[in-house]
Amino acid sequence: GDSVTQMEGPVTLSEEAFLTINCTYTATGYPSLFWYVQYPGEGLQLLLKATKADDKGSNKGFEATYRKETTSFHLEKGSVQVSDSAVYFCALSDRLAGNNRKLIWGLGTSLAVNP
Amino acid sequence: EAQVTQNPRYLITVTGKKLTVTCSQNMNHEYMSWYRQDPGLGLRQIYYSMNVEVTDKGDVPEGYKVSRKEKRNFPLILESPSPNQTSLYFCASSLGTAYNSPLHFGNGTRLTVT
Repeated sequence: GDSVTQMEGPVTLSEEAFLTINCTYTATGYPSLFWYVQYPGEGLQLLLKATKADDKGSNKGFEATYRKETTSFHLEKGSVQVSDSAVYFCALSDRLAGNNRKLIWGLGTSLAVNP
Repeated sequence: EAQVTQNPRYLITVTGKKLTVTCSQNMNHEYMSWYRQDPGLGLRQIYYSMNVEVTDKGDVPEGYKVSRKEKRNFPLILESPSPNQTSLYFCASSLGTAYNSPLHFGNGTRLTVT
């Protein structure tokens, strides 16, 4: 079945450091790919998405490119801030899943940014 | 403000005592879903609903019930809670059933069953 694999955390960085969180997937259909972020005590929020190969999603300085050849969707940010401390989830939604908008989730990567 | 509202945020109960977690969205979304989040297991879908009176099982429906009598509300019912249902629960909604339509999440309900 479909699956998403994220790098394990926690990831600890200093402010202004470069961030990469790896995400790879397996899917039998034509997935859309998402990054969601969960701040402490809150629900998940969509950070960015890409719906087809070579699409680049971007938001709040974060970017991720849909790489079909490597089945990857790595999250990057050039300069992290303390306010970026959160848990980041990679997810896919497969067109073949039909009308159920079920997402297949990675286990999440916790990021802590120190001043 | 567009949002998904869950209540309560925290709930401690005892085994076998029926409870309901409410979920309401003000975005006129057709699709709604419940997830549970557990350490090491990630998010797993419990039930989903594509519209009023249309509900179906997700990956882990055992021990849960839902109803969708109105478009905005999608309560999660635990008829006889057990300790293995201790978890963090999220309600989510989406505008349509398009595969690339993002989900909007509530802030979660942390349930403890003793």
